[in-house]
Amino acid sequence: SQQGEEDPQALSIQEGENATMNCSYKTSINNLQWYRQNSGRGLVHLILIRSNEREKHSGRLRVTLDTSKKSSSLLITASRAADTASYFCATEPDRGSTLGRLYFGRGTQLTVWP
Amino acid sequence: GAVVSQHPSWVICKSGTSVKIECRSLDFQATTMFWYRQFPKQSLMLMATSNEGSKATYEQGVEKDKFLINHASLTLSTLTVTSAHPEDSSFYICSAITGLDQPQHFGDGTRLSIL
Repeated sequence: SQQGEEDPQALSIQEGENATMNCSYKTSINNLQWYRQNSGRGLVHLILIRSNEREKHSGRLRVTLDTSKKSSSLLITASRAADTASYFCATEPDRGSTLGRLYFGRGTQLTVWP
Repeated sequence: GAVVSQHPSWVICKSGTSVKIECRSLDFQATTMFWYRQFPKQSLMLMATSNEGSKATYEQGVEKDKFLINHASLTLSTLTVTSAHPEDSSFYICSAITGLDQPQHFGDGTRLSIL
């Protein structure tokens, strides 16, 4: 399977704490993307990190990528109750007919308690 | 910018009915659109890749005669679930991109329930 795998499957924290989610994948990639999904809704793009990048920031989000280990992490700092959602990593493979396609992991369900 | 509209958001219909779902890019032209299926508390499964003016490319295991995809313009792709049965009940989501190595922009999904 080309899918990524997130870890943990579920994470429950208090407001103000940091949340870290990890993603591992199997194939060579063009980029890795993180998305957020609120229950019953579509996905919202958070960050795209390319294969030649190691770290990226966006507001309270920090994403790292280690292509040698085929892994990525998403850190949400100073979490808020509104951050409660499912978070998915998705990889875009770097070859041939799969260009442009994304393969999603199973996601991490984050719950932030007020 | 980069808004994708998916319609309808919710469908309930009888077994044997065919159901059409529309995916529109409202403020950009999409080179490619994608269709996903998602079961409760599970990941998104890519069903097919749709390019304007050409036949869709289906992922392994997805029945192309069951899930008909038409991509008539750079802003519209449709998914028709033909002769739907209860096992086709699921959450279907479309997305669109403006080019390779770019984020996908998702619609809000369609919840399909077949009785």
